[in-house]
Amino acid sequence: NAGVTQTPKFRVLKTGQSMTLLCAQDMNHEYMYWYRQDPGMGLRLIHYSVGEGTTAKGEVPDGYNVSRLKKQNFLLGLESAAPSQTSVYFCASSPSSGRGVEQFFGPGTRLTVL
Amino acid sequence: GDSVTQMEGPVTLSEEAFLTINCTYTATGYPSLFWYVQYPGEGLQLLLKATKADDKGSNKGFEATYRKETTSFHLEKGSVQVSDSAVYFCAGSARQLTFGSGTQLTVLP
Repeated sequence: NAGVTQTPKFRVLKTGQSMTLLCAQDMNHEYMYWYRQDPGMGLRLIHYSVGEGTTAKGEVPDGYNVSRLKKQNFLLGLESAAPSQTSVYFCASSPSSGRGVEQFFGPGTRLTVL
Repeated sequence: GDSVTQMEGPVTLSEEAFLTINCTYTATGYPSLFWYVQYPGEGLQLLLKATKADDKGSNKGFEATYRKETTSFHLEKGSVQVSDSAVYFCAGSARQLTFGSGTQLTVLP
């Protein structure tokens, strides 16, 4: 099992450019999440999905869109990148959202917006 | 909203030293508590967890006990190794998973 994989690993964008980050999981998990990690702030939830075809906003959703067309994939889009979106992005998945349920994380994508 | 207060870093220790990283969770509900570890260049992975009061999570020599009266979940290890150098995140889940800011640990040989 590959677990949770993310593509690409690194990316540099210019302000105003768009891009899509791909997350894939092979554990048949229902729930998937996108987080951003900034220095001194831990991880903050951007968007999440509770199943194929569903999406919901997290703590910091502005400037991002997501889609979950297939159960195993969760895409994060930036339509018009801004320097404030420079961050490390992590995807995660979990089988459910019950008490004590572990989230499994991908290796991250480091995005720099110039 | 929910919040996690975690001991600030960075923390630098010599090999075989004792480690404590404090963590306190503030929430309206009754959260499960977690410690995640992030090794350099990798994603987060679960280190240990506890779902109810007085539960003790343990893994790889690390331990943490869920103290309900203070909603705390302090991470401890009796003798750290160089390979423990990483960033440690405390997290709690009453509704959604909320992370602390992380503590960078460096262990010197």
